[in-house]
Amino acid sequence: EAGVAQSPRYKIIEKRQSVAFWCNPISGHATLYWYQQILGQGPKLLIQFQNNGVVDDSQLPKDRFSAERLKGVDSTLKIQPAKLEDSAVYLCASSLDGAGYTFGSGTRLTVV
Amino acid sequence: GNSVTQMEGPVTLSEEAFLTINCTYTATGYPSLFWYVQYPGEGLQLLLKATKADDKGSNKGFEATYRKETTSFHLEKGSVQVSDSAVYFCALRTPGANNLFFGTGTRLTVIP
Repeated sequence: EAGVAQSPRYKIIEKRQSVAFWCNPISGHATLYWYQQILGQGPKLLIQFQNNGVVDDSQLPKDRFSAERLKGVDSTLKIQPAKLEDSAVYLCASSLDGAGYTFGSGTRLTVV
Repeated sequence: GNSVTQMEGPVTLSEEAFLTINCTYTATGYPSLFWYVQYPGEGLQLLLKATKADDKGSNKGFEATYRKETTSFHLEKGSVQVSDSAVYFCALRTPGANNLFFGTGTRLTVIP
């Protein structure tokens, strides 16, 4: 079974620029999550999708972050404009039934 | 609210030493508890879990027991190996929710 694919692996941008991350979950997994992991901290949920609908986006800074999951498969997470404090690893995870998670390797974002 | 408090690292041990990483939690209801491991350059992987009080999760020689009376889920291994060097995260999921709340992680380095 292929894992959760994320790209790019690394990204360096200047503050106020925009950036997008892509996630391809495991085939058939209805639930998709985006987590933000700041250095030295545990991952924190940004948004959760069930198929192509948003279940929980209460922790998503909606003034600059947006996410979509078209057709209930792939997902993109966008930041516009980026701030220095957005430097983190962005993790995507998927789940078939909400009980078991599979995480991707993440995208490491550095904002300079 | 929900939170997980983990023993601060980093932890450095010699091969074959005994490992304990402390984890305590605060949650509404009776959560499920997890230990995840993150090897260098890889995504988070589920190490073990327990879904109710007094359950013991175990995998690859690691164990953790769900202690409701002390709200703890400490990770133990009797004899660590160099290959166990990684960051370990304690996490919880509350009933009816699918998202995970993580601790800050504990970096373990095992030296030969």
